[in-house]
Amino acid sequence: GQNIDQPTEMTATEGAIVQINCTYQTSGFNGLFWYQQHAGEAPTFLSYNVLDGLEEKGRFSSFLSRSKGYSYLLLKELQMKDSASYLCAVLDSNYQLIWGAGTKLIIKP
Amino acid sequence: DAGITQSPRHKVTETGTPVTLRCHQTENHRYMYWYRQDPGHGLRLIHYSYGVKDTDKGEVSDGYSVSRSKTEDFLLTLESATSSQTSVYFCAITQLAGGADTQYFGPGTRLTVL
Repeated sequence: GQNIDQPTEMTATEGAIVQINCTYQTSGFNGLFWYQQHAGEAPTFLSYNVLDGLEEKGRFSSFLSRSKGYSYLLLKELQMKDSASYLCAVLDSNYQLIWGAGTKLIIKP
Repeated sequence: DAGITQSPRHKVTETGTPVTLRCHQTENHRYMYWYRQDPGHGLRLIHYSYGVKDTDKGEVSDGYSVSRSKTEDFLLTLESATSSQTSVYFCAITQLAGGADTQYFGPGTRLTVL
């Protein structure tokens, strides 16, 4: 079967750096997405990786290793507004998105 | 903002009643999707559409039907609602962004079946 694993919850301090990991086992791979979802709101697109390596976008970076079935989202200079759930999703061989359950990130002052 | 609205935003209904949720988009996107989101689960695809009158089943389609008679509207119907269909329902479209066909979501509909 297809599976995406993320930690359920993480806690970090304002101003610090946090890394949210995602491992996947899917039938085929056509890219990996990260979304942010604030409580009670819709998911919003953060990043897309299809090649190995690091993609940097401001305070957020996303890394992919296809051989290891592994990705992470790195958030720097954490702000209180970064408190949200972060969803990892893989585009499989049928171009369907397979979603992880999400990681709830709690930021403490 | 991908121009997606959902209605109603909240609904409480009783077991056995029919319910229809509406997704409306204003930017002529070809692909539209219906997901449900429940605690402890990732987003799960119910049905999707790749054009007017062209739809297909997703991972959790049992108990749901869809229709797309116009490009801008994608309707999700629960023929006879059950308590297990209490959930938050999101509609999505696909738009090219970040080098990929990226899904963008509507604001969601919170459905409670008593």
